[in-house]
Amino acid sequence: GAVVSQHPSRVICKSGTSVKIECRSLDFQATTMFWYRQFPKKSLMLMATSNEGSKATYEQGVEKDKFLINHASLTLSTLTVTSAHPEDSSFYICSASLPSSETYNEQFFGPGTRLTVL
Amino acid sequence: DQQVKQNSPSLSVQEGRISILNCDYTNSMFDYFLWYKKYPAEGPTFLISISSIKDKNEDGRFTVFLNKSAKHLSLHIVPSQPGDSAVYFCAASDYGQNFVFGPGTRLSVLP
Repeated sequence: GAVVSQHPSRVICKSGTSVKIECRSLDFQATTMFWYRQFPKKSLMLMATSNEGSKATYEQGVEKDKFLINHASLTLSTLTVTSAHPEDSSFYICSASLPSSETYNEQFFGPGTRLTVL
Repeated sequence: DQQVKQNSPSLSVQEGRISILNCDYTNSMFDYFLWYKKYPAEGPTFLISISSIKDKNEDGRFTVFLNKSAKHLSLHIVPSQPGDSAVYFCAASDYGQNFVFGPGTRLSVLP
């Protein structure tokens, strides 16, 4: 099956620094990748939809300047949390959609990244 | 090595009957389990969850059963409706630190 990786799996940073999280589709080309934020015991929140070669589409309430998304190639999307604060501490998950699936029904999730901002 | 498995990629059920979606996990540190439902062109939405201290949680037509000794959980939908047709993801968490998703099962409810 399709494999999606994320790096790093865990990161601890100081308040005010920026953190970059990578999401890679290892054995397929993903024209569309999704970034989610998981709150403990709560819903998975879609942050943005990332399309290769174009600007990401952000969900309402998600700050574009704070969560920078770059989908530079068909196998890599990055999420940069700029000027991170403790309230940004969370579990961030990406998923990638197979290009053959026009309805994005086939989504493969990455293993997630645990961000802790001190 | 998949920590969360959904061995049935697809399932078809007649409207009005029961749908049973299964999920197996390997990590004994998982203490919280969630089910998500996903429609085409939308992100997954939270459906129901269960803590490891329980063996059953019910919410309307949806019931989740947890068998810790077998490391198995299942989602029952009864009665099934055509609007339930979607992809269902099982997810497991270890004390809120990490969340691992299964590959999903596509449910088709036939009218």
